[in-house]
Amino acid sequence: SAVISQKPSRDICQRGTSLTIQCQVDSQVTMMFWYRQQPGQSLTLIATANQGSEATYESGFVIDKFPISRPNLTFSTLTVSNMSPEDSSIYLCSGALDYEQYFGPGTRLTVT
Amino acid sequence: QKEVEQNSGPLSVPEGAIASLNCTYSDRVSQSFFWYRQYSGKSPELIMSIYSNGDKEDGRFTAQLNKASQYVSLLIRDSQPSDSATYLCAVLPSGGSYIPTFGRGTSLIVHP
Repeated sequence: SAVISQKPSRDICQRGTSLTIQCQVDSQVTMMFWYRQQPGQSLTLIATANQGSEATYESGFVIDKFPISRPNLTFSTLTVSNMSPEDSSIYLCSGALDYEQYFGPGTRLTVT
Repeated sequence: QKEVEQNSGPLSVPEGAIASLNCTYSDRVSQSFFWYRQYSGKSPELIMSIYSNGDKEDGRFTAQLNKASQYVSLLIRDSQPSDSATYLCAVLPSGGSYIPTFGRGTSLIVHP
């Protein structure tokens, strides 16, 4: 299995500002992903973080709003830019070892 | 559109009973299937993976896969109140993708 850490664990931010979430994996995972989860809802994939190149975004998510970096195999960041209250959610980082996906503890973001 | 369907519940069972959680999927050639447990306010935790038709047992958990009928189930024997959580089914599509499709989850409540 993989152990994944994220920081910050939670934050309260003002609208119009940006927040960068960091994700660290303890092993060299094949893939890293960023998800969003609204309370009581299932997971929504934001993007696949690609090492050394631009992330692959899912429909409805764009790089200008959610820039992602993955400088090496075990570290990635997600920035939520120009935040609005609609961005309030839990953001989850995950890593895939073979075909099994493991999740970090999540970052609970509240935008006021 | 590949779909993974779960009854949202809640499924309520008495302590000590067998809880049966079901999941159906639309992509006939899917190869890999996963069950995640998610406690309220926590991130999903991988509890079972199954790749072949039949049963796979791990402690009190048994995953059952029937590819012909396109369903996968999770049985929890001797259910405990600590098993109360949302259980997410995830299905990996064919073609070598590492991105699973998640169901919306089934809420399980085990009452003393």
